[in-house]
Formats: sequence, structure tokens, C-alpha cells
Amino acid sequence: DAKTTQPTSMDCAEGRAANLPCNHSTISGNEYVYWYRQIHSQGPQYIIHGLKNNETNEMASLIITEDRKSSTLILPHATLRDTAVYYCIVRALSSGTYKYIFGTGTRLKVLA
Amino acid sequence: DTEVTQTPKHLVMGMTNKKSLKCEQHMGHRAMYWYKQKAKKPPELMFVYSYEKLSINESVPSRFSPECPNSSLLNLHLHALQPEDSALYLCASSQDLTGGLQETQYFGPGTRLLVL
Repeated sequence: DAKTTQPTSMDCAEGRAANLPCNHSTISGNEYVYWYRQIHSQGPQYIIHGLKNNETNEMASLIITEDRKSSTLILPHATLRDTAVYYCIVRALSSGTYKYIFGTGTRLKVLA
Repeated sequence: DTEVTQTPKHLVMGMTNKKSLKCEQHMGHRAMYWYKQKAKKPPELMFVYSYEKLSINESVPSRFSPECPNSSLLNLHLHALQPEDSALYLCASSQDLTGGLQETQYFGPGTRLLVL
């Protein structure tokens, strides 16, 4: 079962901020949230991860709610090359080992 | 360098063939993964190796046989596959399985497999 819920698709105008939400209401206290994106037919690319505090790197910002049940990935100035499927991922315990659980992802289309 | 390489890029095989997929990383990572991805679906975990030992097998059919000969190399041996096994096969690696930054996975470009 997917541990995350994301909108199926979103559009964003080029140059504007893209805000991609994710619900992870069953996340446990010490688990991280990871964000990846997958451009058509390529391998997923790591974007950012966080635990409790908001995080920022050269690609994006991650805002995590205080109760940790949801997060938002922000691409501050979307470009056409940001068109991709964005996955919000949490880990789950399986047979004594943690593994990534991919949700269905959000298909972001950046429009010129 | 955060590169994971996979060969071949494309593979076409018959149902009676035996073939292997190869994955390599030189980042000193000790965890390696195989995923299967069907069109318009998220990747599905197949196997996880940690320190060259199989850590997770997600009930994958025995016609898929993983192998981790050393910490840099991961193979997936294929035998008697079915047409429904056609998919993109992704390899990934991470420093280890302890979470946070250490478990950030870096993916290869994948091998696109077609079974006829």
C-alpha cells in the first residue's frame, strides 16, 4: 500500500513557483520524507529530503507541516525542463528492513 | 560523482532466452536495489542488497535471479521470462540502509526490456 497521496497532475506557468503537495498521514516519528522526479523514460532523480524542519537546496524547497502529516515541494521558478513526474516517498518496514514506498506521483507540466 | 550505470540500455529477448542486466556504481555505496517499472506506473521494488547480502526479496518470481558479486556491481539474471515482464528495470544505490541522507537512492537510467 502506498504510504503517500499526491494529486495526479498539475500545470504550472513557466517562471512561476510550482507547489506540489503530498499527504503522508501515517508517517512515523523518525522517518524521512524524500522527493524524487522522473523525466520521461529516465531514472528517478533525487531532489530533496527532510525530517521535521523545512529544507532548501539548489533545486527546491521542502515544507513539512508541524504534525508531519503532509509536505509541499516548491520549485521556485519552474522551467520547461521541470516537466516530470514528481514522487513523494516515505520508508516502510518490510521483513526487518526499510524500503522506499513510491506513491503514484504527480505529473507536473510546465507551460510556456 | 553520483552516477549509476546500467547495461544494456535496451534488450529484446524470447521467452526461452537467458540474459543478464548489469548495474555498476563507484560511489562506495553498500546498498543496491532493483526496481521494475511498467509504463505510467511508479517503480516497484524487487530486491535490496546490503553489504553484498540479499536483504529484501519482494516475492519476485524465480525467473528473476539477482546477484551481487562485489560492492560495486549488481546483476539481474533473467530466464524464461513472460511477455508481461516487459518493463523498465531500474538499478539504484545508497550509502546504506540507515535512513536520512545515507539512504538517499541514486538511480541508473534503466534497461528497457521487451520479452517476445
